[in-house]
Amino acid sequence: DTEVTQTPKHLVMGMTNKKSLKCEQHMGHRAMYWYKQKAKKPPELMFVYSYEKLSINESVPSRFSPECPNSSLLNLHLHALQPEDSALYLCASSQDRRPEAFFGQGTRLTVV
Amino acid sequence: AQKVTQAQTEISVVEKEDVTLDCVYETRDTTYYLFWYKQPPSGELVFLIRRNSFDEQNEISGRYSWNFQKSTSSFNFTITASQVVDSAVYFCALTGGGNKLTFGTGTQLKVEL
Repeated sequence: DTEVTQTPKHLVMGMTNKKSLKCEQHMGHRAMYWYKQKAKKPPELMFVYSYEKLSINESVPSRFSPECPNSSLLNLHLHALQPEDSALYLCASSQDRRPEAFFGQGTRLTVV
Repeated sequence: AQKVTQAQTEISVVEKEDVTLDCVYETRDTTYYLFWYKQPPSGELVFLIRRNSFDEQNEISGRYSWNFQKSTSSFNFTITASQVVDSAVYFCALTGGGNKLTFGTGTQLKVEL
């Protein structure tokens, strides 16, 4: 079962809202990722959690706040976003010592 | 620094044609990994293949085949007898073994009847 599940699939939020994106995997993977993808562009890495600890933050603005409650769950808390933050947000996970990442279907976020 | 170049922005073919997607990479790592991902309109990135830098053996999986050549820093992907369901954006990616994937800009493949 190579499945990464993301909820919600679509999200529309105002610039003053607080919302959260959720990601879940039950493959025993110990690395989890958040990527942001704008239309017609490749995914851009935002955060990496390794063994539930934040290991990479690609200088992401603080209005994006990641959280890894346990080895199967990854959240991305959103607050005071801007319209330019509208994008597809992809979660991924990978196994220890295997570099290929498996992606979820993403959350299409629109900030109005 | 690592870099992946996919020079073909968009390719259109007629069903049953063969098509090759090009990928050229740059890295200073002696050990690295190359990948191809497929992204259909639904958005999910589907993992297709991983290649290790120390394994230049080409691979075939059904209608898909991959040609890895270290001498030219290329990792090309061929779809034989293309089908409409192959229509998607294809990304080539590279990592030196850490957790960071460097993606190419993607090639939009359109397969028409």
